[in-house]
Amino acid sequence: EIVLTQSPGTLSLSPGERATLSCRASQSISSSYLAWYQQKPGQAPRLLIYGASSRATGIPDRFSGSGSGTDFTFTISRLEPEDFAVYYCQQYGSSPPGITFGQGTRLEIK
Amino acid sequence: EVQLVESGGDLVQPGGSLRLSCEASGFTFSTYYMNWVRQAPGRGLEWISYISGSGGTIYYADSVKGRFTISRDNAKNSLYLQMNSLRDEDTAVYYCARRHSGWCFDYWGQGTLVTVSS
Repeated sequence: EIVLTQSPGTLSLSPGERATLSCRASQSISSSYLAWYQQKPGQAPRLLIYGASSRATGIPDRFSGSGSGTDFTFTISRLEPEDFAVYYCQQYGSSPPGITFGQGTRLEIK
Repeated sequence: EVQLVESGGDLVQPGGSLRLSCEASGFTFSTYYMNWVRQAPGRGLEWISYISGSGGTIYYADSVKGRFTISRDNAKNSLYLQMNSLRDEDTAVYYCARRHSGWCFDYWGQGTLVTVSS
């Protein structure tokens, strides 16, 4: 099973600042199968980025993703108050088939 | 508008059984892989099972293999999760989620809470 490790565990920033989150895989994965989600308390996760760098429908362009192999990055260029939440990366592997999530990064207001 | 609505969550004793349902609307249900993902209280997300549009391809996470069974009824636009031999560690909010291209999840239900406790 591929393990995804996210860092940092918690990130404290102020509105207007830039946020950079990391997701590292225990073995190389296809960029096509790396996604990022946002989750707020009491809500279901929301898909932000798929295929490592493609924004999902309706997602503002301040959200972006990049990376390949084992190292992936999620960036929010300029934080809005509504962006403070928990962010998860997720991957799909075909051999053996399975889907795993990172443990999450909590983005909190400084 | 795509909607996924889960139901069936409840308080159940260890060793007991429960069946969750997810009713879908707003899209051609039979053409999509569907998934169950759970989240224990205060914890992260854990994918547990998927099923293809026809029902012919199914896969489970090791944590539930042999105890949980995923199924679907395309005529009713519904997804199911039969959970047997429930354990304390199965306590979680269970979400159904639609597969998007690239094997991610573009629509999620609101979740249904399963509590396993004596």
